[in-house]
Amino acid sequence: SQQGEEDPQALSIQEGENATMNCSYKTSINNLQWYRQNSGRGLVHLILIRSNEREKHSGRLRVTLDTSKKSSSLLITASRAADTASYFCATDAATQGGSEKLVFGKGMKLTVNP
Amino acid sequence: DGGITQSPKYLFRKEGQNVTLSCEQNLNHDAMYWYRQDPGQGLRLIYYSQIVNDFQKGDIAEGYSVSREKKESFPLTVTSAQKNPTAFYLCASSFRGGYNEQFFGPGTRLTVL
Repeated sequence: SQQGEEDPQALSIQEGENATMNCSYKTSINNLQWYRQNSGRGLVHLILIRSNEREKHSGRLRVTLDTSKKSSSLLITASRAADTASYFCATDAATQGGSEKLVFGKGMKLTVNP
Repeated sequence: DGGITQSPKYLFRKEGQNVTLSCEQNLNHDAMYWYRQDPGQGLRLIYYSQIVNDFQKGDIAEGYSVSREKKESFPLTVTSAQKNPTAFYLCASSFRGGYNEQFFGPGTRLTVL
């Protein structure tokens, strides 16, 4: 079952520009995570935001969470060619007894042109 | 070095054969996961295990089997019953609970000839 949906599905920008990716989900969550995947590699965790948080920063990354709209955004500032990758949001469903697994979106491909 | 490893990196299988993909972690994580990734499909959960000797089916378990005899190891067998096994397989581990970040291995690309 696909919980998160990233938007846009693909984004191409110039080096130095900011990149914004959005994620929408359907059910209540405990947390939302963003991951990055370089082509042909495993995923790497970027940032986790809990349901009671609204904004979080990590280096050039800024994540926001709006639980009323069931959406999150990931902003990468001053992008670099090395940021070229696919980005996934993942959510854990807030179920009785606690959550045991993440559900990943289909991903969004970011291309940063030098 | 602490981490999670998968082997082999590339695997070729003839139709009708079972194959086993290896996943090992030395991060002392209780939970381990297997995902399948197809182009444009994102990650789909095959099986997961929260503790040794216990595992649960994910969204697409049919045609797959797993075992969890050791905390460090969570091998995945792709059986001949899996109709379309060609895909990229990713293993991950985490501390127990879906609210923790997952650490991923480098993946195994399986091709059925």
